[in-house]
Amino acid sequence: DADVTQTPRNRITKTGKRIMLECSQTKGHDRMYWYRQDPGLGLRLIYYSFDVKDINKGEISDGYSVSRQAQAKFSLSLESAIPNQTALYFCAIRDRGYNEQFFGPGTRLTVL
Amino acid sequence: SQQGEEDPQALSIQEGENATMNCSYKTSINNLQWYRQNSGRGLVHLILIRSNEREKHSGRLRVTLDTSKKSSSLLITASRAADTASYFCATDPDSNYQLIWGAGTKLIIKP
Repeated sequence: DADVTQTPRNRITKTGKRIMLECSQTKGHDRMYWYRQDPGLGLRLIYYSFDVKDINKGEISDGYSVSRQAQAKFSLSLESAIPNQTALYFCAIRDRGYNEQFFGPGTRLTVL
Repeated sequence: SQQGEEDPQALSIQEGENATMNCSYKTSINNLQWYRQNSGRGLVHLILIRSNEREKHSGRLRVTLDTSKKSSSLLITASRAADTASYFCATDPDSNYQLIWGAGTKLIIKP
């Protein structure tokens, strides 16, 4: 089984809808991240969390919110989706004291 | 804002040839990492080089780091069709905060 899972894998929604993307992990790492990827721009950090009570904004947090429901679960919400939030979204995890990040398979979100 | 810039943006070579990708960054770093992304999938960590290292090898991968020039290169030797992917460098300023990503190099290996 994959260490990091994301649901849904694909989602098409309409402008103004609320959307939640979910991420769960089985490695027990304390650090979790949400990124978005747009063509030609690499990854940009949306939010990150060091533990359940420690959540921080990243480079592009406007229009997004997150919830760390448990050590293993980190959800990303778009309160009112807009077309320029169409992107590929990745969840990643990282163990304290180590540098490597492990990525989920991604969620392709399309906002019409 | 993005820290790293990869060069070239795209590279197409014949199978068996070597592929070299470069990454430049702007601020001081604790380490620099290279990741691979197969089309539309999650990124996979390839190799990490620390700021006090100049060269590192892992299988067919060779990474160099020049902190005076704020640049790194990734060399893939004896390329294979399976190496077709996008390659990203990511810099880690302080090992506790976040990785800062480049825009990636798209590598195509022609059979």
